[in-house]
Amino acid sequence: KAGVTQTPRYLIKTRGQQVTLSCSPISGHRSVSWYQQTPGQGLQFLFEYFSETQRNKGNFPGRFSGRQFSNSRSEMNVSTLELGDSALYLCASSESSYEQYFGPGTRLTVT
Amino acid sequence: GQQLNQSPQSMFIQEGEDVSMNCTSSSIFNTWLWYKQEPGEGPVLLIALYKAGELTSNGRLTAQFGITRKDSFLNISASIPSDVGIYFCAGPPGTYKYIFGTGTRLKVLA
Repeated sequence: KAGVTQTPRYLIKTRGQQVTLSCSPISGHRSVSWYQQTPGQGLQFLFEYFSETQRNKGNFPGRFSGRQFSNSRSEMNVSTLELGDSALYLCASSESSYEQYFGPGTRLTVT
Repeated sequence: GQQLNQSPQSMFIQEGEDVSMNCTSSSIFNTWLWYKQEPGEGPVLLIALYKAGELTSNGRLTAQFGITRKDSFLNISASIPSDVGIYFCAGPPGTYKYIFGTGTRLKVLA
């Protein structure tokens, strides 16, 4: 099976702009989770979607949002970008909620 | 908030040596997961543990689910250069939300 794919792999945006990141899970996986990884804060959970419904959410401001489509593909949106949003954004998919398989990530740089 | 503390933070070891690292939580977990991340890539699942006291191996890697359910251990035997990377523990303290440890950075001296 093909692994988790994320697009784009790299992105540069300006403060105040918004950005949409995309994730295609492993075929058959209905759960998709998003994480933010920074050197200072490590890997932090953003949210999880299962069958198009947000099942859990981490402690991030409302500027961070997501959605999942009927084919399990997921998008994450960040509005009004801040410098501190610069990070590696990782998507993970799973059949169950426990064993997660990660994509390569999208490296977002906000200038 | 909840945290997973991993130790050591980093370690240099000689090729061929055995490595031990651990992860502790302030609360009980029902599942422990161990991942490895290499530069420019996402974390890769190494081992999943589901039962207190469970000992599971994956090649040269062995992980244990602590009997208190608040800790887990990962051992790597006979380390090789490709073991370089950051090792993370992770778990779901609630039903679906996940937290990751601070990571142990492993560097191998050939």
